[in-house]
Amino acid sequence: AQSVTQLGSHVSVSEGALVLLRCNYSSSVPPYLFWYVQYPNQGLQLLLKYTSAATLVKGINGFEAEFKKSETSFHLTKPSAHMSDAAEYFCAVSGGFSGGYNKLIFGAGTRLAVHP
Amino acid sequence: GAVVSQHPSWVICKSGTSVKIECRSLDFQATTMFWYRQFPKQSLMLMATSNEGSKATYEQGVEKDKFLINHASLTLSTLTVTSAHPEDSSFYICSALLPGAYTFGSGTRLTVV
Repeated sequence: AQSVTQLGSHVSVSEGALVLLRCNYSSSVPPYLFWYVQYPNQGLQLLLKYTSAATLVKGINGFEAEFKKSETSFHLTKPSAHMSDAAEYFCAVSGGFSGGYNKLIFGAGTRLAVHP
Repeated sequence: GAVVSQHPSWVICKSGTSVKIECRSLDFQATTMFWYRQFPKQSLMLMATSNEGSKATYEQGVEKDKFLINHASLTLSTLTVTSAHPEDSSFYICSALLPGAYTFGSGTRLTVV
């Protein structure tokens, strides 16, 4: 089974500051990991994904995440926050796109606030 | 890229009536689709996995007789909320499983009055 823990339900940063959103996972099989962003009353947009290739993954809008197996972590970072980054961020895990572990399980989410 | 169309985007219904939500893959065949429910300011909770041509697999605690899922073709999965009550009010999102990706619909806001 898979599960995700996102540390910090709310994170607040200043515009231009580093963004760090934490995600730890648990998986009984090699994990596939994802970060999604959700703006109010909208669907999900994929920021980036790890699917067992390079451990440092670069995504859209300047975000990146590093898969660390020893720490069971997949933290999301962005060097410099923009006001437009304010949204809800979800980390998610699955056991791959095929087979019996293809369900995508979400963490509780982290609300990012960016202030001037 | 691949697109999943979810309809309607919002619906208001009276308590006791049924509501059908459609999730349609526009340019690909989706053998597997997932249905999620999201309460305000909360995460997405997986309700069920829908496989084309077979019965859906429901997550623990989800009432299969209340949330009817049909996946009769490779491009369409439907979720019917039967005998809806105010506590069923929520944001429902579908996702299609593609080779190498999960593609999400834009969601349906259901309000039961």
